[in-house]
Amino acid sequence: QKEVEQNSGPLSVPEGAIASLNCTYSDRGSQSFFWYRQYSGKSPELIMFIYSNGDKEDGRFTAQLNKASQYVSLLIRDSQPSDSATYLCAVVGQAGTALIFGKGTTLSVSS
Amino acid sequence: DTGVSQNPRHKITKRGQNVTFRCDPISEHNRLYWYRQTLGQGPEFLTYFQNEAQLEKSRLLSDRFSAERPKGSFSTLEIQRTEQGDSAMYLCASSLLASYNEQFFGPGTRLTVL
Repeated sequence: QKEVEQNSGPLSVPEGAIASLNCTYSDRGSQSFFWYRQYSGKSPELIMFIYSNGDKEDGRFTAQLNKASQYVSLLIRDSQPSDSATYLCAVVGQAGTALIFGKGTTLSVSS
Repeated sequence: DTGVSQNPRHKITKRGQNVTFRCDPISEHNRLYWYRQTLGQGPEFLTYFQNEAQLEKSRLLSDRFSAERPKGSFSTLEIQRTEQGDSAMYLCASSLLASYNEQFFGPGTRLTVL
């Protein structure tokens, strides 16, 4: 059973702090890794993807991938109350094209 | 609006009725996916089309579910003889074949089976 694991949270951080969201996956052959943001009652919105080991930065967001440890993380710098949402980690396995999602981590940024 | 669109946005039906949902992908995207999401869970994959060909189906897609993508454009997902357990958000996503499979989601159709 290919799985993606995330801490459900809630993760609470004050405004302006760095939020760190983590994800582990079981399929060692996984190729691509995605972070989606989902506001309550809305559909997932793609914010980052990464496919090679290391860091990838986009504005206030940094995705980190460590394939040896089967670990993906998302850092949100200068967190804002508008960042409060559920963050979904998703993985594309070696065998297919479907996204395998974790259950998501709820982030709450307090002003 | 050039994003993925889905209709209807909400559907309330009685148990045993059939329902059909429509998805219009981003125009140049040749891959189209259906997912289902229940409260507190991440989306779960149902099925995938590349152009008009249905290439992958999840074991979650029971024989009451059928999906089509005629002419490789819009797609429909039909659920026959709905059950209360079918209540969920049904999400459609699309992506480009020549990409890292970044999938962009539509707004979803929320199904409630009474």
